[in-house]
Amino acid sequence: GAGVSQSPSNKVTEKGKDVELRCDPISGHTALYWYRQSLGQGLEFLIYFQGNSAPDKSGLPSDRFSAERTGGSVSTLTIQRTQQEDSAVYLCASSLKLAGTDTQYFGPGTRLTVL
Amino acid sequence: GIQVEQSPPDLILQEGANSTLRCNFSDSVNNLQWFHQNPWGQLINLFYIPSGTKQNGRLSATTVATERYSLLYISSSQTTDSGVYFCAVAAGNEKLTFGTGTRLTIIP
Repeated sequence: GAGVSQSPSNKVTEKGKDVELRCDPISGHTALYWYRQSLGQGLEFLIYFQGNSAPDKSGLPSDRFSAERTGGSVSTLTIQRTQQEDSAVYLCASSLKLAGTDTQYFGPGTRLTVL
Repeated sequence: GIQVEQSPPDLILQEGANSTLRCNFSDSVNNLQWFHQNPWGQLINLFYIPSGTKQNGRLSATTVATERYSLLYISSSQTTDSGVYFCAVAAGNEKLTFGTGTRLTIIP
């Protein structure tokens, strides 16, 4: 596709349930990022994948959060045993990682509401 | 980690006015991007500008890396320019650190 796509666009879940959020990066982009935007914390980094390298997980807020990227393309962010403080918009971005430019392009986000 | 401060936090202007948004950062950066978040929440890329000056239509941006700030200029504002403008930087790693944004409201 022309841009980064994410699904679902909205997700409402009950506290304690697991959720999976999906990101399809721009075709050919080797780098993929997850961020989240919440009222209290603003926009914050979660995890970064680059090619076959080990992901940078330094932004994951707890061990309930995990992510994988299969085949160097699609990524899934999983939140286990969701809590109300996990409510936020989860944003995915991708970049081409060319020398001289590293523009990150963002998807429309998944709005997660934990009841 | 790196700190990013944006000013002003809120800006209300009449249609047709010009505006300047500022982004200060606390360390050397190798990536600086300006985004416009529209009312639907989509982050739209405006500029990739870790240094220098760029222009795109009514928008332009300047980053003075040695003094650790960037400016976004919007000329002849239109109502469609309303939204939140974010500056985001990366310093020696890949993850962007975002400022808290400037909320711009253009009144017809």
